[in-house]
Amino acid sequence: QKEVEQNSGPLSVPEGAIASLNCTYSDRGSQSFFWYRQYSGKSPELIMFIYSNGDKEDGRFTAQLNKASQYVSLLIRDSQPSDSATYLCAVLNSNYQLIWGAGTKLIIKP
Amino acid sequence: KAGVTQTPRYLIKTRGQQVTLSCSPISGHRSVSWYQQTPGQGLQFLFEYFSETQRNKGNFPGRFSGRQFSNSRSEMNVSTLELGDSALYLCASSLGAYNEQFFGPGTRLTVL
Repeated sequence: QKEVEQNSGPLSVPEGAIASLNCTYSDRGSQSFFWYRQYSGKSPELIMFIYSNGDKEDGRFTAQLNKASQYVSLLIRDSQPSDSATYLCAVLNSNYQLIWGAGTKLIIKP
Repeated sequence: KAGVTQTPRYLIKTRGQQVTLSCSPISGHRSVSWYQQTPGQGLQFLFEYFSETQRNKGNFPGRFSGRQFSNSRSEMNVSTLELGDSALYLCASSLGAYNEQFFGPGTRLTVL
């Protein structure tokens, strides 16, 4: 079992709909959780991070953390074609190592 | 505030050569991490430096090495290049060892 797992996709979502991206992790002592977006040929850029259980909202983006079930999600409301990218989940584990998922490719269809 | 810068942006080398890549973190950031990314692959962690000390290291051969200077700038070196070393090499900086990371544009290395 990988320490951080993401569905590789591609996940296809119609424009204007909600895109839901999921990430599960194995280390129950993990402390911080990060979502990055990476466009093809570009470097990853930070979207948001979350430390506490519950939801954190930033514009069209919402991160949801459930430590009991060991998953973190990223919701993108009103999806736009410009949201088409690979989304990377990163988890700071109990050993203070940042572990990266392999990423989910998201395609927003006009 | 200026972002993370990496030089050079593109590099072409031949097998057996060595290469040095440079990374300047965001001002005030003390942690620098290096990653390798190949097509279709996720980020492969190389190493992390904090205050000139290597704090973590990934599963790469000893041909890959790095260092960090007192001004937090970092370099990574790859000796005896192999074809499989062709990749995008990314540097990321963070304020502290456990904060969110910000990436530079990367150095695209091609080994012929």
